[in-house]
Amino acid sequence: DTAVSQTPKYLVTQMGNDKSIKCEQNLGHDTMYWYKQDSKKFLKIMFSYNNKELIINETVPNRFSPKSPDKAHLNLHINSLELGDSAVYFCASRLGTSQDNEQFFGPGTRLTVL
Amino acid sequence: LAKTTQPISMDSYEGQEVNITCSHNNIATNDYITWYQQFPSQGPRFIIQGYKTKVTNEVASLFIPADRKSSTLSLPRVSLSDTAVYYCLVGDMRSGFKTIFGAGTRLFVKA
Repeated sequence: DTAVSQTPKYLVTQMGNDKSIKCEQNLGHDTMYWYKQDSKKFLKIMFSYNNKELIINETVPNRFSPKSPDKAHLNLHINSLELGDSAVYFCASRLGTSQDNEQFFGPGTRLTVL
Repeated sequence: LAKTTQPISMDSYEGQEVNITCSHNNIATNDYITWYQQFPSQGPRFIIQGYKTKVTNEVASLFIPADRKSSTLSLPRVSLSDTAVYYCLVGDMRSGFKTIFGAGTRLFVKA
């Protein structure tokens, strides 16, 4: 009954490879996010989608491309992976129509680029 | 979005009340104050949200003075399992979808 799920949980890959992380929410929310948490634990927003439309793109390199096939899914594709991309990536969702700022986060995907 | 400032870390003992204060001097009229909790290897979890005065739920209380330039998250009778990072966020969710997490406060509860 997981509200926000991500796959895979761990991802180890070589520099230069292309990889994808998938996110699904079963809460019926309108808004979904991708965050990056680095080794210093700073949590930075990368993208936000509302009803499949890109709302926020926080100066993320264009090697990162989010895709939202429907309201319940927001996937993250990363091209030409670099060492600095190593981090934990969190997906989150929010109802999006009220003042309520409650976001529901997924378990995270730990990406390690070698 | 208003910037927030919190202590980097705090230590406490089991059974004590813990108060974590967050400064947000540039808070706007429509901004709400929200707190999240993050355990190691997990995503952040919503704790509480408020606009002014006091808000209480089953987990915590949030105290907001009249000028709203700061807020205090109060955790009653903490246990070892409350060891986590606590983030304070300020923003108006009605006008945008952006959420800025600060560095957070690392709370360590000792036995």
